[in-house]
Amino acid sequence: GAGVSQSPRYKVAKRGQDVALRCDPISGHVSLFWYQQALGQGPEFLTYFQNEAQLDKSGLPSDRFFAERPEGSVSTLKIQRTQQEDSAVYLCASSLSRGLAGITDTQYFGPGTRLTVL
Amino acid sequence: RKEVEQDPGPFNVPEGATVAFNCTYSNSASQSFFWYRQDCRKEPKLLMSVYSSGNEDGRFTAQLNRASQYISLLIRDSKLSDSATYLCVVKGLTGGGNKLTFGTGTQLKVEL
Repeated sequence: GAGVSQSPRYKVAKRGQDVALRCDPISGHVSLFWYQQALGQGPEFLTYFQNEAQLDKSGLPSDRFFAERPEGSVSTLKIQRTQQEDSAVYLCASSLSRGLAGITDTQYFGPGTRLTVL
Repeated sequence: RKEVEQDPGPFNVPEGATVAFNCTYSNSASQSFFWYRQDCRKEPKLLMSVYSSGNEDGRFTAQLNRASQYISLLIRDSKLSDSATYLCVVKGLTGGGNKLTFGTGTQLKVEL
């Protein structure tokens, strides 16, 4: 079956440009996550959605970062006025459950969008 | 101090060797633990969950010591195809209880 898909796979932006990154989660998955992975580092949590509700955005590095999931399926991560330090791979993951206590379920990752800001 | 700490390596081992990776985590309230594998320029993929009782999946054995806040992964009879970065992952209390916190990863290179 189809996994998590992300587009574009690669994005080059000039400093100051706005970018929008798209994530299509696995059909039926309730939870959706965005992570940022800098070169040589592990992924770092950005934000979390349960259906259309953004329940945690504690990892967003600045108010230039904005994420939405208006219909509880596809999600978009938008970065305004991109800076060189935003260069990273942006990973989207989805999981089936609502994260109820005691329930463990797998997060499936998409291939990521590699953003380079010049 | 990082929430999840790993030796970044690289670990260069000959084919057939046994190799062990270790990881420590700082939040004693962490709920679930995993090892993910990440190939170069690919997404992380779940390798296995880690339980206090220890668990084995073929050539891979994972162990959790909650008292020491320590997680390990043992790979026996290593194959060339095991070459990858192994990410120690802790599932925490934020993000709806689902937020994953990753270590920096340990790079493994299996050589002929």
